[in-house]
Amino acid sequence: AQSVAQPEDQVNVAEGNPLTVKCTYSVSGNPYLFWYVQYPNRGLQFLLKYITGDNLVKGSYGFEAEFNKSQTSFHLKKPSALVSDSALYFCAVRGARGSNYQLIWGAGTKLIIKP
Amino acid sequence: DAGVIQSPRHEVTEMGQEVTLRCKPISGHNSLFWYRQTMMRGLELLIYFNNNVPIDDSGMPEDRFSAKMPNASFSTLKIQPSEPRDSAVYFCASSFIAGRDSPLHFGNGTRLTVT
Repeated sequence: AQSVAQPEDQVNVAEGNPLTVKCTYSVSGNPYLFWYVQYPNRGLQFLLKYITGDNLVKGSYGFEAEFNKSQTSFHLKKPSALVSDSALYFCAVRGARGSNYQLIWGAGTKLIIKP
Repeated sequence: DAGVIQSPRHEVTEMGQEVTLRCKPISGHNSLFWYRQTMMRGLELLIYFNNNVPIDDSGMPEDRFSAKMPNASFSTLKIQPSEPRDSAVYFCASSFIAGRDSPLHFGNGTRLTVT
């Protein structure tokens, strides 16, 4: 069965430090992987995606994510955190067509950046 | 690009009343999704449409829930009768049809409170 795990409910980082939000997945076939961010009282916003090719993908707001096939992971990273990065982050995966086609969402990780 | 527009932003109603949530997808998008978000259950897909046709409504919790998409620019989610456990934030999202790499564009949601 398809699944996405975000093992940390919350991540605390000091402003200016690098941040990592973890995501692991289980899906049949080649995965399509996504990160979304949700600010308070707003809908989810697309940050970046991995389809194929370079394992390091860059997205909005200086975020990037690294696809690791052997570890089935797709961790979100940023070299230097900003207080404004504080939000809820969701990882999602989409498998092959058919029963695996729909997006499977992680539970979300709350990122808190402290000044 | 006005984005996905949802109305109302907030809805407070009494148990037993009918509730209708509205969504206008991004022009040109031909897939539309209704999600529900709660602290306990996270993000749940209720139903999605391709080209105005409901494709998968297996996430609709009960017969009290119904969704329609009469044309490409409008969709409704109706709850009748509403119950306190329906209290949640309901999101509408749209995308280009069925591409595995198509990101979803979310509205800002309707926060429903049923007393």
